[in-house]
Amino acid sequence: KAGVTQTPRYLIKTRGQQVTLSCSPISGHRSVSWYQQTPGQGLQFLFEYFSETQRNKGNFPGRFSGRQFSNSRSEMNVSTLELGDSALYLCASSLHLGSFLVLPPPDTQYFGPGTRLTVL
Amino acid sequence: TQLLEQSPQFLSIQEGENLTVYCNSSSVFSSLQWYRQEPGEGPVLLVTVVTGGEVKKLKRLTFQFGDARKDSSLHITAAQPGDTGLYLCAGSSGTYKYIFGTGTRLKVLA
Repeated sequence: KAGVTQTPRYLIKTRGQQVTLSCSPISGHRSVSWYQQTPGQGLQFLFEYFSETQRNKGNFPGRFSGRQFSNSRSEMNVSTLELGDSALYLCASSLHLGSFLVLPPPDTQYFGPGTRLTVL
Repeated sequence: TQLLEQSPQFLSIQEGENLTVYCNSSSVFSSLQWYRQEPGEGPVLLVTVVTGGEVKKLKRLTFQFGDARKDSSLHITAAQPGDTGLYLCAGSSGTYKYIFGTGTRLKVLA
């Protein structure tokens, strides 16, 4: 079974531009989550999509948005790029939408290799 | 804001040594996970602990969830160069799907 794929793997943009990143989940997985990873802030949750609907959102500005298609593939968009947006963007897929407060714990997340975004 | 603090931040040891990585929070988590991330790759799940006081073993790795479900530890026995990587704990609770820890970068020298 193929793993989570992310494209492109590397991207260089300049301030003010916008960027779209793509994530293809494991076949059959319906939940896709996006994370930003930086040396200073670590790994931070951006948002989660399930059945084409955003189900959860982290504490990021509105410049960060996403969507999910009927085949569960997801895209993430960042508009008006800032230098601080330079990071590794990871997506993770899981079979179901997790429930945070009840057991059993949320489904296992499988991460892709990430897209390294550099903003100049 | 929920935070997960990991210590130490960096660790460089010789092959064969033992080590322990800690993950601490003031918040209670319904479950806690440990991941390992290698350069150029995404994190890979090692274990999930759910019950306070739970201990899980994965070969040379031993994971423990604190009784109050606010902290966890990862102990590696006889570390090997293949254990090198970034170790992340992640708690599941509240609004966000996972709160990730600050990370421990481990380097095991041959």
